[in-house]
Amino acid sequence: NAGVTQTPKFQVLKTGQSMTLQCAQDMNHNSMYWYRQDPGMGLRLIYYSASEGTTDKGEVPNGYNVSRLNKREFSLRLESAAPSQTSVYFCASVPLRGRGYEQYFGPGTRLTVT
Amino acid sequence: EDQVTQSPEALRLQEGESSSLNCSYTVSGLRGLFWYRQDPGKGPEFLFTLYSAGEEKEKERLKATLTKKESFLHITAPKPEDSATYLCAVQAMYSGGGADGLTFGKGTHLIIQP
Repeated sequence: NAGVTQTPKFQVLKTGQSMTLQCAQDMNHNSMYWYRQDPGMGLRLIYYSASEGTTDKGEVPNGYNVSRLNKREFSLRLESAAPSQTSVYFCASVPLRGRGYEQYFGPGTRLTVT
Repeated sequence: EDQVTQSPEALRLQEGESSSLNCSYTVSGLRGLFWYRQDPGKGPEFLFTLYSAGEEKEKERLKATLTKKESFLHITAPKPEDSATYLCAVQAMYSGGGADGLTFGKGTHLIIQP
């Protein structure tokens, strides 16, 4: 049982390039989330998926798109990367939406945009 | 708008020196308050969930408490391996704009010196 896995672990992009961050969970969780973590800012929600087939915007969605490929996988796409998207990206999952269930986090993807 | 403020930003203690970390919050109906531990280069690791004022939870040298306005993470006789960043987060009962997820504080960076 690997929990939440993310690929890649590190990535360097040039401004304007595109890439997809992958996230998968093997806990049969329904809801999945993408956060970004910046120094002095804390973790901020980018997008979430309450269940397979649905996605919704979080606090900072601009410049990103997401796909809930199936129950296990939730990907985050940067269509045209900008230096402001340099950050550490974390994926999380939770068994069910609501009721204060704890979220389980992946190890993160460290992205640098030059 | 939900807000979480953690203090102090950083704390350096001697091994065995007990202390408390503070998390003040404002939220439109609290569904849950969460404490996470984050080690450098890793994702947040879940510690506790508190649901209502007066609730307390313990795990080894850590004890979390909750009032209507704040939460404390008490660390008793800490060891060097307790060094980490401790994150506080809240989940609201009613999230504006349909956003669902946790609102995080910026964290307290704790260093325990031998």
